[in-house]
Amino acid sequence: GENVEQHPSTLSVQEGDSAVIKCTYSDSASNYFPWYKQELGKRPQLIIDIRSNVGEKKDQRIAVTLNKTAKHFSLHITETQPEDSAVYFCAPKKGDSNYQLIWGAGTKLIIKP
Amino acid sequence: DTAVSQTPKYLVTQMGNDKSIKCEQNLGHDTMYWYKQDSKKFLKIMFSYNNKELIINETVPNRFSPKSPDKAHLNLHINSLELGDSAVYFCASSLQVAEKLFFGSGTQLSVL
Repeated sequence: GENVEQHPSTLSVQEGDSAVIKCTYSDSASNYFPWYKQELGKRPQLIIDIRSNVGEKKDQRIAVTLNKTAKHFSLHITETQPEDSAVYFCAPKKGDSNYQLIWGAGTKLIIKP
Repeated sequence: DTAVSQTPKYLVTQMGNDKSIKCEQNLGHDTMYWYKQDSKKFLKIMFSYNNKELIINETVPNRFSPKSPDKAHLNLHINSLELGDSAVYFCASSLQVAEKLFFGSGTQLSVL
């Protein structure tokens, strides 16, 4: 079956530094790649997404890059702030049925003051 | 205005009981979902409805039954609750299937 792995599982960075989380997937037919953020005790929220015909997308301090050949996409957060502390999930869309997202196990990002 | 609202927020109940969680969205979305998030934070899809039609029915015990009376509502009924059902249950909706999901605030279910 399809497999999704996120690395690292926990990431601790100094406030103001950059953070990068990588998501590797196995389904070569996947064509939609979102990142969700879940703060402690809150709901998951979509923060950025990208389609397979685009290599990079940016929205202020966050960006997503996609390498379809290598089957991975990454979340980049620059100038990190305390409010970036959360669990981040990647969830590439299955390529066959187009009905499902395959969720990663999450990456806990800790911003140290 | 809350986009996806689910009730109750907390549900504490005894093993063997039957309970329901309700979900409503006012976004005009065609697709709704139920997710289960366990203590390790894994998000697992349970069910998905598109225009009131069941399109995803993952391997969950048949004690769990979704009901979608209309496009704006998706309820979850659970029979004979077990300890292992304790988790946070999230409802979500989207305009296109599996894209740009909006989640409800979650229902923390504790089975004693």
